[in-house]
Amino acid sequence: EVQLLESGGGLVQPGGSLRLSCAASDFTFKAFAMSWVRQAPGRGLEWVAAVSATGNTVYYADSVKGRFTISRDNSKNFLNLEINSLRAEDTAVYYCAKDPIRYSYHPTYYFDYWGPGTLVTVSS
Amino acid sequence: EIVVTQSPGTLSVSPGERVSLSCRASQSVSSGNLVAWYQQKRGLAPRLLIYGASSRATGIPDRFRGSGSGTNFTLTISRLEPEDFAVYYCQQYASSPYTFGQGTKLEIK
Repeated sequence: EVQLLESGGGLVQPGGSLRLSCAASDFTFKAFAMSWVRQAPGRGLEWVAAVSATGNTVYYADSVKGRFTISRDNSKNFLNLEINSLRAEDTAVYYCAKDPIRYSYHPTYYFDYWGPGTLVTVSS
Repeated sequence: EIVVTQSPGTLSVSPGERVSLSCRASQSVSSGNLVAWYQQKRGLAPRLLIYGASSRATGIPDRFRGSGSGTNFTLTISRLEPEDFAVYYCQQYASSPYTFGQGTKLEIK
């Protein structure tokens, strides 16, 4: 069964930076687009970024464009998210999520598997 | 941005009952009815139930049924089981940003 496991979360001061990672296993990672979706405490879900299966194309929500950078390493089966200039409103559980369609030219933007998430807390 | 609105916010029901959860998009989600439904239990990641408005994801019991088109969508759960009490989110994936509703919480009456 598909396994996704995020890491890298923690307590960060406003203005700081963080790198989140997601280790993928038990599926052909390089064949699927991947996304990051976040959930603020007690709130709903927000898609923030996606990357194509090859890693050549990236997509961002306007709310994070310019501060977040999504990338992937298909040789090591890792998905990454660099977050800069952190704000209090970035406090959330960050999930990595798998696209359902193999070798799709574009991500489909719905998600058939999710990791358990990693908590990012931005506070002084 | 397509705003997705779910109703009601909370629904108190008894096991064995049938429930319908509503999801409305502020604009049509175009051909293909690009709406998904997820179930989330406390402290866990969301689980995909329905995609394309009406297609059940792998392993999802047939008591979960999605329907609707255009801007109005419904998730119906027939014969609620104890494990179905959770928060349900709908999502439109027709246009960026790919927005979720605020969720409907199913609680035991």
